[in-house]
Amino acid sequence: DAGITQSPRHKVTETGTPVTLRCHQTENHRYMYWYRQDPGHGLRLIHYSYGVKDTDKGEVSDGYSVSRSKTEDFLLTLESATSSQTSVYFCAISEGRTTNEKLFFGSGTQLSVL
Amino acid sequence: AQSVTQLGSHVSVSEGALVLLRCNYSSSVPPYLFWYVQYPNQGLQLLLKYTSAATLVKGINGFEAEFKKSETSFHLTKPSAHMSDAAEYFCAVTSPLSGTSYGKLTFGQGTILTVHP
Repeated sequence: DAGITQSPRHKVTETGTPVTLRCHQTENHRYMYWYRQDPGHGLRLIHYSYGVKDTDKGEVSDGYSVSRSKTEDFLLTLESATSSQTSVYFCAISEGRTTNEKLFFGSGTQLSVL
Repeated sequence: AQSVTQLGSHVSVSEGALVLLRCNYSSSVPPYLFWYVQYPNQGLQLLLKYTSAATLVKGINGFEAEFKKSETSFHLTKPSAHMSDAAEYFCAVTSPLSGTSYGKLTFGQGTILTVHP
């Protein structure tokens, strides 16, 4: 299994509070991604990173920010959590060599915003 | 823009029966197509991928998929279902013309496969 650790695994928070999710990899892969998974929507890309301090938006980036200060860590921040951000969040990594390369996924973070 | 539609959010089969999970794509350029599987409380794992080398693609655990350009389809099949195949399956698409957009996949809605004894 790819060395991807997401923390926390579960979190319950209140509307309006900031939340930070962490993804840590030991593979030294260049690309890192944050996806959210919701029933009926599959997985949707929030943000991704193609290197240290290099990030870009995905299709559902509103209300989220990211940071990558080290190759191994990619942080996802909900500045002011809303109930619509209740979801399962997955971090993924890839080497960044070809457009058809596989993604390796973490085990996910279940976030509930009350 | 690219999109993927998975027909049927739930599919139920008996153990030993044929598994057929349907995926249709929309893309203005030749696509790369993937099937991922998600077991309960786990992340996704790659089953197989189509990258234009061969239209019939074989993956892990006895699964295979056939790319049919005329039908814009990439259906996933397995001749004989096992109980261990019970999971959620996702079809996904990207494009070889995505430039630096490595790994930026567009996923379908997912199909939950149930296998009955």
